[in-house]
Amino acid sequence: GQNIDQPTEMTATEGAIVQINCTYQTSGFNGLFWYQQHAGEAPTFLSYNVLDGLEEKGRFSSFLSRSKGYSYLLLKELQMKDSASYLCAAWTDNAGNMLTFGGGTRLMVKP
Amino acid sequence: EPEVTQTPSHQVTQMGQEVILRCVPISNHLYFYWYRQILGQKVEFLVSFYNNEISEKSEIFDDQFSVERPDGSNFTLKIRSTKLEDSAMYFCASSERHTNTGELFFGEGSRLTVL
Repeated sequence: GQNIDQPTEMTATEGAIVQINCTYQTSGFNGLFWYQQHAGEAPTFLSYNVLDGLEEKGRFSSFLSRSKGYSYLLLKELQMKDSASYLCAAWTDNAGNMLTFGGGTRLMVKP
Repeated sequence: EPEVTQTPSHQVTQMGQEVILRCVPISNHLYFYWYRQILGQKVEFLVSFYNNEISEKSEIFDDQFSVERPDGSNFTLKIRSTKLEDSAMYFCASSERHTNTGELFFGEGSRLTVL
């Protein structure tokens, strides 16, 4: 089956840097997405990694290592509005093409 | 900015009743999806739809569920006989390309409460 693990909760300080890790065990892996979800709202796209390495987009960066089944999302210059859940999701084509989400990491940014 | 819209935002129904959740995907998108999120749990894939037919479905998407694209703009999810455990937030999503090359755009969700 598909298994995606990420920490349940993290706390960080405004202005700081935080790294949210995600490990996955999947077959038919095609790529790794990160989504942000504020409470009671829809997930919104942050990044997508297909190849190994770092993808940078403003304050957010995402890293993928396919050989290690590992990804992380790096958030710099944290702002209060970054308090949200961050969802790691793997796109696989084994037993059907689908996006499988992890349980999400709830990030709380404190002043 | 184009967006995926869903109606209703919240529906309360009695167990055993039929429910239809509606979605209007982004107009030039070709791939459509339904996901659900039970309160406090992970987002779960239900079904994907392309070229007027189901392309993939999960184990959750049993015979009680169906999807339809009745016209050129709407994409609906029907639950024939709702159960208590169907209570969840249902998200519609669409993408311009198949997801492994393009991001999913999610609607704001329809919260279903089954009593």
